[in-house]
Amino acid sequence: KAGVTQTPRYLIKTRGQQVTLSCSPISGHRSVSWYQQTPGQGLQFLFEYFSETQRNKGNFPGRFSGRQFSNSRSEMNVSTLELGDSALYLCASSLERGAADTQYFGPGTRLTVL
Amino acid sequence: AQSVTQLGSHVSVSEGALVLLRCNYSSSVPPYLFWYVQYPNQGLQLLLKYTTGATLVKGINGFEAEFKKSETSFHLTKPSAHMSDAAEYFCAVTKNSGGYQKVTFGTGTKLQVIP
Repeated sequence: KAGVTQTPRYLIKTRGQQVTLSCSPISGHRSVSWYQQTPGQGLQFLFEYFSETQRNKGNFPGRFSGRQFSNSRSEMNVSTLELGDSALYLCASSLERGAADTQYFGPGTRLTVL
Repeated sequence: AQSVTQLGSHVSVSEGALVLLRCNYSSSVPPYLFWYVQYPNQGLQLLLKYTTGATLVKGINGFEAEFKKSETSFHLTKPSAHMSDAAEYFCAVTKNSGGYQKVTFGTGTKLQVIP
């Protein structure tokens, strides 16, 4: 099976712009989670989608949003970009939502905000 | 609330030496525990996980971890370090909370392997 794919891999934007990142989960996986990874804050949970519904959300401002499509593919959007949004954004998929379910991560999208 | 503490943000070992990366957790309910590895410019890859059953868990690349409930620990070990083990390692704890999986990651430990 193909792994989790994320596009694009690298992105450079300027402050105030908005960006959309895409994630395709492993075939058959229904849960998609998004994380922000920075050197200072580590891995921080953004949100989780399951069956096209946001099920859980981390402590991020409303500028960060997402959605999931019927084929489980997910997108996240960041509006009005700030310098502090520069990070590696990781998507992870799992079969279901149980605590024992393994999350499989994509390679990430490296976002640089200038 | 659950939390994960990884002692040592950087660990250096000589090639062939024992690797020991420490992870302690706190959780109000029995947790599920994971170790992930991240190579530069890549996502996280599962090394091993503990859910139930045997407390000594074997993973990929010769790594293993032992769940010790009395010590609330889940330390990662490998008998003999290889140059290719140089990476960042994350411990994670999950539990079911309000019908969803709540995942908490540690801050990571960067492993340096010295030739």
